[in-house]
Amino acid sequence: AQSVAQPEDQVNVAEGNPLTVKCTYSVSGNPYLFWYVQYPNRGLQFLLKYITGDNLVKGSYGFEAEFNKSQTSFHLKKPTALVSDSALYFCAVRDAGNQFYFGTGTSLTVIP
Amino acid sequence: EPEVTQTPSHQVTQMGQEVILRCVPISNHLYFYWYRQILGQKVEFLVSFYNNEISEKSEIFDDQFSVERPDGSNFTLKIRSTKLEDSAMYFCASRGRGGGNYGYTFGSGTRLTVV
Repeated sequence: AQSVAQPEDQVNVAEGNPLTVKCTYSVSGNPYLFWYVQYPNRGLQFLLKYITGDNLVKGSYGFEAEFNKSQTSFHLKKPTALVSDSALYFCAVRDAGNQFYFGTGTSLTVIP
Repeated sequence: EPEVTQTPSHQVTQMGQEVILRCVPISNHLYFYWYRQILGQKVEFLVSFYNNEISEKSEIFDDQFSVERPDGSNFTLKIRSTKLEDSAMYFCASRGRGGGNYGYTFGSGTRLTVV
């Protein structure tokens, strides 16, 4: 069965500092991993994905994520946090039938 | 940029009433989905729809739920007799072929409150 876990409900970081939002996964077969962001009153917006290839994936708005097979992790990172990055972040895995399994979400607050 | 449009943005209904949540997928997309997010919980898959029929559904999608693509543009989720526990944010998504995220686009959601 496919699943993802986001161990942190809330992450606070000071503006200008690097940020990390953690995600671990459990999949059968090759993992197709995604990060989505949800701003208030908005839909889920795609940030980045890992399908195959380089373990470091670069996405929208300066975000990147590192696929680590041995640790079954796919942490979201950004070198310099902005106040506008404050939102709810979801890690997800997609199965062969194109169904997504989402984590519980991590609320990121960037403090000015 | 094409968007998936969901209406209404917020609906309040009494327990036992029928509700229809509406979605307009991206026009050239072929696959349609409904997800829901109970407040404070994870986003959960409900159902996928392709070629005018359900292709997959979760355990949540019981006989109280139905989906329909009535006119070639709208994609609706009907809850026949709402329960308090149906209160959630419901997301519609549509998918084309390929694309950066394998073509998935989510709508902004309908917040359903059952009282």
